[in-house]
Amino acid sequence: DVKVTQSSRYLVKRTGEKVFLECVQDMDHENMFWYRQDPGLGLRLIYFSYDVKMKEKGDIPEGYSVSREKKERFSLILESASTNQTSMYLCASGQGGGSGKEQYFGPGTRLTVT
Amino acid sequence: AQSVTQLDSHVSVSEGTPVLLRCNYSSSYSPSLFWYVQHPNKGLQLLLKYTSAATLVKGINGFEAEFKKSETSFHLTKPSAHMSDAAEYFCVVSGRHMRFGAGTRLTVKP
Repeated sequence: DVKVTQSSRYLVKRTGEKVFLECVQDMDHENMFWYRQDPGLGLRLIYFSYDVKMKEKGDIPEGYSVSREKKERFSLILESASTNQTSMYLCASGQGGGSGKEQYFGPGTRLTVT
Repeated sequence: AQSVTQLDSHVSVSEGTPVLLRCNYSSSYSPSLFWYVQHPNKGLQLLLKYTSAATLVKGINGFEAEFKKSETSFHLTKPSAHMSDAAEYFCVVSGRHMRFGAGTRLTVKP
């Protein structure tokens, strides 16, 4: 079975702190994704990566950055956390090679910024 | 641009009755479409996907969806709801990356 793991299930941080969310997948997938999930808005793509050291902005990249130094690991960074970044963050991975490929999701990290 | 609209934010059914979760999509080319399910405090799980093969797609747990190009719809159905079906369901269209609908919360009453 494909496994996508995220470093924390719950996280509480203060405004202005730098926050790291880590994601690891064990299926040698080329593509990795970070989403945030908010009630009534579904999942919105923050950033994705289609190869090591490659990244592309998604629909809502402001206030976030990412790092992919190894194929299996994709990190989301909040440079200076703000209360409007309180949300559920979901990581996903998937095979490369065009659309129509399933994505596999981690359990999510619920981040609260106070 | 691609997008999906889930027509109901909340659907409530009784156990043993049919389930219908509605999804309309917009795509400038032939889309790939998915339904994912999210149970409380769990990650998203793929229910089924359409990738231009058969228009009626069967998924896990008795769910199926029909791709109707003329109606730009991809509704999810199940003949008989079970208590364990209570969850949030997301319709997704895939191009360069996935775009999710806002979700439909399914409640199943005993």
